[in-house]
Amino acid sequence: EVQLVESGGGLVQPGGSLRLSCAASGFTFSSYWMSWVRQAPGKGLEWVANIKQDGSEKYYVDSVKGRFTISRDNAKNSLYLQMNSLRAEDTAVYYCARGLELRQYNWFDPWGQGTLVTVSS
Amino acid sequence: EIVMTQSPATLSVSPGDRATLSCRASQSVSSNLAWYQQKPGQAPRLLIYGASTRATGIPARFSGSGSGTEFTLTISSLQSEDFAVYYCQQYNNWPPLTFGGGTKVEIK
Repeated sequence: EVQLVESGGGLVQPGGSLRLSCAASGFTFSSYWMSWVRQAPGKGLEWVANIKQDGSEKYYVDSVKGRFTISRDNAKNSLYLQMNSLRAEDTAVYYCARGLELRQYNWFDPWGQGTLVTVSS
Repeated sequence: EIVMTQSPATLSVSPGDRATLSCRASQSVSSNLAWYQQKPGQAPRLLIYGASTRATGIPARFSGSGSGTEFTLTISSLQSEDFAVYYCQQYNNWPPLTFGGGTKVEIK
């Protein structure tokens, strides 16, 4: 069974840092693009970042550029999101989601269950 | 950035009726469009990709159509488990990958 399990969310003060992890299983992790997608409370979906299979390409939504870093460890079947200089508007459920093997097919399937990040003093 | 606009924001439908959801792109995305279903407290689930191809395990009552800038998701006969929020997403021209604001399908 293909599975993605996020962890690392929690309450953090504005300006603080947090590192999210996503453990993948049931598929060849190193063969797929991977993404982080977030959803603020009561709001819609927003793509945050993605990373190519070998980590050689990384892309970010403008609002997180320079603050967030996506990375992966194919040996550990894991995806990460390092979040620095956190703001209240970063408060959201963060989902890990699998893309496909090719860059042009970047829809998301499956998704993890999500981890909640709350930025508040 | 390609802006995706979904309409209506809320759709009230009776069980067994047809539901038609719209998604419009600010510029052509060819057929590079996906649809997702999200139920309360759950992660989104892929329904459709390539504008019209059902994902694995998705019932035939879900169908997608359109290309360019205008897309439609149709649920032919709404079941109780179909009441949810539906999102479209373009993957033609990115970054960024962009979603529509969602359509909530509620019981009439």
